[in-house]
Amino acid sequence: NSKVIQTPRYLVKGQGQKAKMRCIPEKGHPVVFWYQQNKNNEFKFLINFQNQEVLQQIDMTEKRFSAECPSNSPCSLEIQSSEAGDSALYLCASRQGSQNTLYFGAGTRLSVL
Amino acid sequence: GEQVEQLPSSLIVQEGASVLINCSYTDSASVYFPWYKQEPGKRLQFIIDIRSNMERKQNQRLTLLFDKKTKHLSLHITATQPGDSAIYFCSASTGNYKYVFGAGTRLKVIA
Repeated sequence: NSKVIQTPRYLVKGQGQKAKMRCIPEKGHPVVFWYQQNKNNEFKFLINFQNQEVLQQIDMTEKRFSAECPSNSPCSLEIQSSEAGDSALYLCASRQGSQNTLYFGAGTRLSVL
Repeated sequence: GEQVEQLPSSLIVQEGASVLINCSYTDSASVYFPWYKQEPGKRLQFIIDIRSNMERKQNQRLTLLFDKKTKHLSLHITATQPGDSAIYFCSASTGNYKYVFGAGTRLKVIA
């Protein structure tokens, strides 16, 4: 019973630096989501993929974030130029194509100093 | 856009007590409602879900009630244990690729 694996667990960056995190979805799950969870536990949807294709993404993700889910490699989310407001827990989740339940990884906690 | 609200934001109970967590949503197109539990430092764990064609679902000590008319859900946890201490999240999905989460209910169970 595979689980969603996110690396690294913790990431510390200076303002303006790139920050990259990875996610291996559960085996057999073609749909992947990225969320940002802030210190108030609020979730912000960032982007989702089906296989290698982007399904939806928000404005912020288009401009400062880049994400991909290449075939046979981990998915990744990269912030091109980190800002203090990007400090948060970044959650990756995956699901089967036909099922609705999302399964989450433990997250990457990003601190931007 | 869709909003999901949870109440209360936090509660503290004695071990053995029952708790009720309320959740309301705004988008009448929402059809699927998964709930998650998040313990400190651990992944969000799926605990129970319900679809809009159901009114009630039970999984051991968890009972989830759904009222489509009022757009309201409630999660009832019976015989609470210290291990139930966590943040509980309600979410609403329109069934395609959109999931909206509440801000969570922090539960502390005191032994």
